[in-house]
Amino acid sequence: QVQLQQSGPGLVKPSQTLSLTCDISGDSVSSVSFSWNWVRQSPSRGLEWLGRTWHNSRWFTDYAESLKTRLSIKSDIAKNQFSLQLDSVSPEDTAIYYCARARVVGATRSKFYFHMDVWGKGTTVTVSS
Amino acid sequence: DIQMTQSPSPLSASVGDRVTIACRASQGINSYLAWFQQKPGKAPKSLIYGASSLQSGVPSRFSGSGSGTDFTLTINSLQPEDAATYYCQQYDSFPFTFGPGTKVDLK
Repeated sequence: QVQLQQSGPGLVKPSQTLSLTCDISGDSVSSVSFSWNWVRQSPSRGLEWLGRTWHNSRWFTDYAESLKTRLSIKSDIAKNQFSLQLDSVSPEDTAIYYCARARVVGATRSKFYFHMDVWGKGTTVTVSS
Repeated sequence: DIQMTQSPSPLSASVGDRVTIACRASQGINSYLAWFQQKPGKAPKSLIYGASSLQSGVPSRFSGSGSGTDFTLTINSLQPEDAATYYCQQYDSFPFTFGPGTKVDLK
């Protein structure tokens, strides 16, 4: 049974970089059947999908347009984990951050559709000096 | 971005009631719609995907329907452990977006 274990600091200073890691057990970050996602939740923004990475003959990464210039999601096959880096954070980035596995639940000739079925427990991140 | 709306919120019901939560997308999303349940201090839990497919391990009193822009989550015979906030989410187009949530509490 797949499990996702999140790690990272709970407090980040404004203008610095937020870095979180999600360790995967019971599955492989390079599996073609899954994508690996980051989602955050705050009272002001609700649940917000941030981005994902997945592997199918090559690595693909997709980001929410609003965060594209600040966000980087990477995978590490050797450690079987994926990570999030969010640059130049501000108090508006204060949220609970979740990692989530999404599995393929549909496909067309040009596109795969993934559903987020397994979630990490979440990391509360506060941006404050 | 595709906007997701939900109604009602909040919702108060009694044990044994049939509860229906509506979700509407601002544009057609075929059946690429999921429902999640979230309890305080916990991560969202998958209930339904593909608008009507039940996630493994989820009780059969939960069901989903709809396609295009209008969707429904139904809980038949509400149980005490179903008190939670329920979110719909579209995964048809980037960015994937969630509804604002419907809080279900027990009378």
